[in-house]
Amino acid sequence: DPKIIQKPKYLVAVTGSEKILICEQYLGHNAMYWYRQSAKKPLEFMFSYSYQKLMDNQTASSRFQPQSSKKNHLDLQITALKPDDSATYFCASSQEGPASAETLYFGSGTRLTVL
Amino acid sequence: GDSVTQTEGLVTLTEGLPVMLNCTYQSTYSPFLFWYVQHLNEAPKLLLKSFTDNKRPEHQGFHATLHKSSSSFHLQKSSAQLSDSALYYCALSAASSGSWQLIFGSGTQLTVMP
Repeated sequence: DPKIIQKPKYLVAVTGSEKILICEQYLGHNAMYWYRQSAKKPLEFMFSYSYQKLMDNQTASSRFQPQSSKKNHLDLQITALKPDDSATYFCASSQEGPASAETLYFGSGTRLTVL
Repeated sequence: GDSVTQTEGLVTLTEGLPVMLNCTYQSTYSPFLFWYVQHLNEAPKLLLKSFTDNKRPEHQGFHATLHKSSSSFHLQKSSAQLSDSALYYCALSAASSGSWQLIFGSGTQLTVMP
């Protein structure tokens, strides 16, 4: 059974709309992350959270907003979608943060296409 | 800032030949280095990571040695298999810098031909 669940697996949106990407992890981890993968920029870091607190943000645009309602949830809200946002978005988690040199476990990803 | 460089975007070789994928890094601090592998339509997963005691990590026939003098963590395997075909990412965790991200290189697509 997958321990990191991302929903939906595929998502098609129109330019200008808003979508929420869901991520839940059942590994008991305290740190969660969002990465984006596209042909232009493989595995680009977006956000990291620890105990539901934002630790690092490398996303320049405020159109991307992570939301953590529970320790094991980290959703990603994207507003005013653009075709350049088309990518596969991976959620990941680790027991603690990168400081412990721990393994990052990735979900299966949400493939977003913006028309 | 911290960075990881993978010079080869695409490596194609014949089954049975040795594999070497290059990875160099820049970091102000002493980082941990990782190799992640991503098979087609799958999520990235850890292949191996450096140890603090300089032991050489090995997994599935792959190994890598952290050379601080040359800032490198090349991935090697003595004999490539068809199932090794995948995208390989070298990654760096510069924990001492306070960074809360794992920094990935641009990736090397390995294709093993029969």
